[in-house]
Amino acid sequence: KAGVTQTPRYLIKTRGQQVTLSCSPISGHRSVSWYQQTPGQGLQFLFEYFSETQRNKGNFPGRFSGRQFSNSRSEMNVSTLELGDSALYLCASSFRQGGTEAFFGQGTRLTVV
Amino acid sequence: DQQVKQNSPSLSVQEGRISILNCDYTNSMFDYFLWYKKYPAEGPTFLISISSIKDKNEDGRFTVFLNKSAKHLSLHIVPSQPGDSAVYFCAAKNAGGTSYGKLTFGQGTILTVHP
Repeated sequence: KAGVTQTPRYLIKTRGQQVTLSCSPISGHRSVSWYQQTPGQGLQFLFEYFSETQRNKGNFPGRFSGRQFSNSRSEMNVSTLELGDSALYLCASSFRQGGTEAFFGQGTRLTVV
Repeated sequence: DQQVKQNSPSLSVQEGRISILNCDYTNSMFDYFLWYKKYPAEGPTFLISISSIKDKNEDGRFTVFLNKSAKHLSLHIVPSQPGDSAVYFCAAKNAGGTSYGKLTFGQGTILTVHP
């Protein structure tokens, strides 16, 4: 069974631009969560989607948004990029909303210059 | 406010010996705990979990112990192998609450297992 797939793996953007990251969960999993990993802050929760609805949100500004499609695939968007947005963005999938085990993808490394 | 803390940034162990990684939490609403292993530039890999109704869970070489009164959990790896060298993250959630799938992570402990 295929794991969580995130695309692209690497991305370089300029300050002020916007970016869209994609996540395909494990087949049959309906919950997708997003996390940001930085050296200073560690792994921080961004948001969770289930059945195309955002169910929970972390403490990030409104520039960070996401959505989930009917096939459970999810996208995350960051607008007006700042240098501090440079991070590894990780997506995790679970079978159900708030599922106890979350399985992570390999992440998208975003560099803002 | 660091609700999940891994106070040891690094741990060095000889191959074949036991590795003990520790984690403390402050939020009494947490009722489910997970350990992840992470290599650089990769996503975390789920290792083992424990519900707050248990005090021990074992899976092969990995055992997690939970002391609810002390708000402390630990991961034991026996015997340690060089391939276990990675960053280990402790994570917690309120499985039954409105935070649903949100995992709160510790800062991680770098484990190095020497041959």
